[in-house]
Amino acid sequence: EDQVTQSPEALRLQEGESSSLNCSYTVSGLRGLFWYRQDPGKGPEFLFTLYSAGEEKEKERLKATLTKKESFLHITAPKPEDSATYLCAVRTGGTSYGKLTFGQGTILTVHP
Amino acid sequence: NAGVMQNPRHLVRRRGQEARLRCSPMKGHSHVYWYRQLPEEGLKFMVYLQKENIIDESGMPKERFSAEFPKEGPSILRIQQVVRGDSAAYFCASSTGDNQPQHFGDGTRLSIL
Repeated sequence: EDQVTQSPEALRLQEGESSSLNCSYTVSGLRGLFWYRQDPGKGPEFLFTLYSAGEEKEKERLKATLTKKESFLHITAPKPEDSATYLCAVRTGGTSYGKLTFGQGTILTVHP
Repeated sequence: NAGVMQNPRHLVRRRGQEARLRCSPMKGHSHVYWYRQLPEEGLKFMVYLQKENIIDESGMPKERFSAEFPKEGPSILRIQQVVRGDSAAYFCASSTGDNQPQHFGDGTRLSIL
């Protein structure tokens, strides 16, 4: 069974203090790893898709990287508005190719 | 560009009643997915549909739950004879293809009295 584990569960940063969130996965036949941001009371907002080890994607202060066993979401010089829950999800092959398996998320709080 | 629209945003039902949750995908998206987020738990896949077809329902409870995506109109997630354990946030997502990013609506919060 596909498994996705995110760490840490919660992360508190000062504004400007860079850090990384981790997403480790155990799947058979990865067909994409997805990062989302979720604000309270809202649905997940798509950030990045990574398909193969070594791939990197960037958007503003966020950078996502992928290895064969894990993905990192690097946050450079975060601002209070980056506070949210960050979700990692994987899609695999087989009969459930449309299904995303999500991790529990990392709750990020950035203090001014 | 309208995103994925879900309604109602909040739904209250008494035990034994039926709940109908609606989802209109983004324009140009023909793939729809339903997920459930129980309190203190992560998002769990329920069902994947394309127009008039259920592609994967491996995450749907065997009883009381059904989903459809008709040729015309929104996708519907139907829960019959609701129980307290059905209280959760139900999210719909859509995409242009099975390996494309899924874009989510803001969910329907279902509360069972």
